[in-house]
Amino acid sequence: GAVVSQHPSWVICKSGTSVKIECRSLDFQATTMFWYRQFPKQSLMLMATSNEGSKATYEQGVEKDKFLINHASLTLSTLTVTSAHPEDSSFYICSARLEGWGYEQYFGPGTRLTVT
Amino acid sequence: LAKTTQPISMDSYEGQEVNITCSHNNIATNDYITWYQQFPSQGPRFIIQGYKTKVTNEVASLFIPADRKSSTLSLPRVSLSDTAVYYCLVGEGSSNTGKLIFGQGTTLQVKP
Repeated sequence: GAVVSQHPSWVICKSGTSVKIECRSLDFQATTMFWYRQFPKQSLMLMATSNEGSKATYEQGVEKDKFLINHASLTLSTLTVTSAHPEDSSFYICSARLEGWGYEQYFGPGTRLTVT
Repeated sequence: LAKTTQPISMDSYEGQEVNITCSHNNIATNDYITWYQQFPSQGPRFIIQGYKTKVTNEVASLFIPADRKSSTLSLPRVSLSDTAVYYCLVGEGSSNTGKLIFGQGTTLQVKP
């Protein structure tokens, strides 16, 4: 149980275009999901908290107009990278929070974004 | 959020027990401790979580002293496939967002 999927697993796009990444909790409902980015040989950096039915909460320094987050249902959150640039190339990972004691988080497999 | 400190890297050999200690001096009363494993180009995988004393599951044990200012992840009889980055995180309890802030993690290298 507690499986989180992401789609696509990798994507290549041209500079200036937008890319949407989906995060799904497959066997549980998640009112809260999180989005991270990870550069090579670095740790995960929390970008934002996605709350079902409300606006996302962004971490300091993360541009909310560039990284659009929508959490339209209890099993789906999307991250749209708008007007992507090469510096946005990274590994994007989502997680979903399993509610209960400890509120364990389960992570998706990640999406590799390359902007050319 | 409580900050965690763990060794940047560790080496071990196949079949040995590995203990990775994490310091979290500013842990709050309602914080729990969670360990994740990450392989290259994959999302982190939940290993174990605890609040106090000892927790054991099929892959690891987690030891937490009474003051909860540190914790130790114990991996019994490691194999080459346990080579990965291990993250210790201290998360907020049920009252709020549950944000997890990742530190640098411990890169474990298991040698044959």
